[in-house]
Amino acid sequence: QKEVEQDPGPLSVPEGAIVSLNCTYSNSAFQYFMWYRQYSRKGPELLMYTYSSGNKEDGRFTAQVDKSSKYISLFIRDSQPSDSATYLCAMSAGDYGGATNKLIFGTGTLLAVQP
Amino acid sequence: SAVISQKPSRDICQRGTSLTIQCQVDSQVTMMFWYRQQPGQSLTLIATANQGSEATYESGFVIDKFPISRPNLTFSTLTVSNMSPEDSSIYLCSVVQGATDTQYFGPGTRLTVL
Repeated sequence: QKEVEQDPGPLSVPEGAIVSLNCTYSNSAFQYFMWYRQYSRKGPELLMYTYSSGNKEDGRFTAQVDKSSKYISLFIRDSQPSDSATYLCAMSAGDYGGATNKLIFGTGTLLAVQP
Repeated sequence: SAVISQKPSRDICQRGTSLTIQCQVDSQVTMMFWYRQQPGQSLTLIATANQGSEATYESGFVIDKFPISRPNLTFSTLTVSNMSPEDSSIYLCSVVQGATDTQYFGPGTRLTVL
């Protein structure tokens, strides 16, 4: 079993739809959770960063972490064609500078927002 | 966030040769990392590049195959040695900024080995 599982998609939605992207994980030591957006032929771009459980909102994006269920989500409201990209979840156990700060990534979900 | 550049952006290489990838950051950073992103797979950490000391490699990656240099706090290189088609991948460097585990990535180097 992989430490982080993510549905690879592809996910196709019409413009304006609400998009839900999800990851599950098995390591209960994870406490830092990130979402990256990767456009074709570009490096991953940090989108959202959350520590421990709870919600975080930034514009049209909301990140949710449920540590009890080992489940994280990214919601995109009013999706736009420019949101079409691969979305990667990533997480780490923390301990900045220590051996456990390695990021573990999901495989990414390919999202296409149709105009 | 830091501005990170990589050279080359892409290359096509012959089996058995080596390629050195450069990563340049516009500010001093303590921690730099090298990742591999193979088609349909998640980003996999190759090694942590430590300034002034040897890199720390993850399980499955060895120094002879992926030698890394980190001569200062803004620059690192990754060499892919004795390449085979299985090394065809995107190679990315990343840096940590601030007292968190958030990492910022370079644009990547797309390598094809024939």
